[in-house]
Amino acid sequence: AQSVTQLDSQVPVFEEAPVELRCNYSSSVSVYLFWYVQYPNQGLQLLLKYLSGSTLVKGINGFEAEFNKSQTSFHLRKPSVHISDTAEYFCAVRANNAGNMLTFGGGTRLMVKP
Amino acid sequence: DAGITQSPRHKVTETGTPVTLRCHQTENHRYMYWYRQDPGHGLRLIHYSYGVKDTDKGEVSDGYSVSRSKTEDFLLTLESATSSQTSVYFCAISESYSGTEAFFGQGTRLTVV
Repeated sequence: AQSVTQLDSQVPVFEEAPVELRCNYSSSVSVYLFWYVQYPNQGLQLLLKYLSGSTLVKGINGFEAEFNKSQTSFHLRKPSVHISDTAEYFCAVRANNAGNMLTFGGGTRLMVKP
Repeated sequence: DAGITQSPRHKVTETGTPVTLRCHQTENHRYMYWYRQDPGHGLRLIHYSYGVKDTDKGEVSDGYSVSRSKTEDFLLTLESATSSQTSVYFCAISESYSGTEAFFGQGTRLTVV
């Protein structure tokens, strides 16, 4: 079985500052990794994904994440945030033998302040 | 945006009553999923379907049943709603077993009083 831990439930940050949202996972098999974003009263939208290859993955809206196998982490970063980035962010994993069933972390609420 | 419609979007119901939530897709994707979202827990899988009349349990299936009589529709039923089932429910679809992305609906907010 897989599990995902998002270490921060809330991250307040000022506009134009850098941000990192942390995600650690555990799995006995190799995994695929995802970050989703949820804006208020909306569904989840895929930000980026790691399937294989380069460990640095770039996504939409200027976000990127780095897969670190030895530390079982997949932290999400953005060098300069905007007010519009205020949302909840979910890290998710899928074992490579588990079809498309995702295991989600508890979420991190990013609050960008002016 | 993927063509996924959840209905209703909001519902308030009384404890002990049956409730059915509907997910309708226009993408002809084989796989459909029901998740519930609760603060601090992220999203947890309730049931999923891998084809018409083919369904299986997820992590939190107790108290829920599902049916899929057509490719485009996936129904989630709470046989006798309880307050612990107050949650936001999301439907998701994916194209194949090894598909790289799941697409989510807008969610249904269910309140059991």
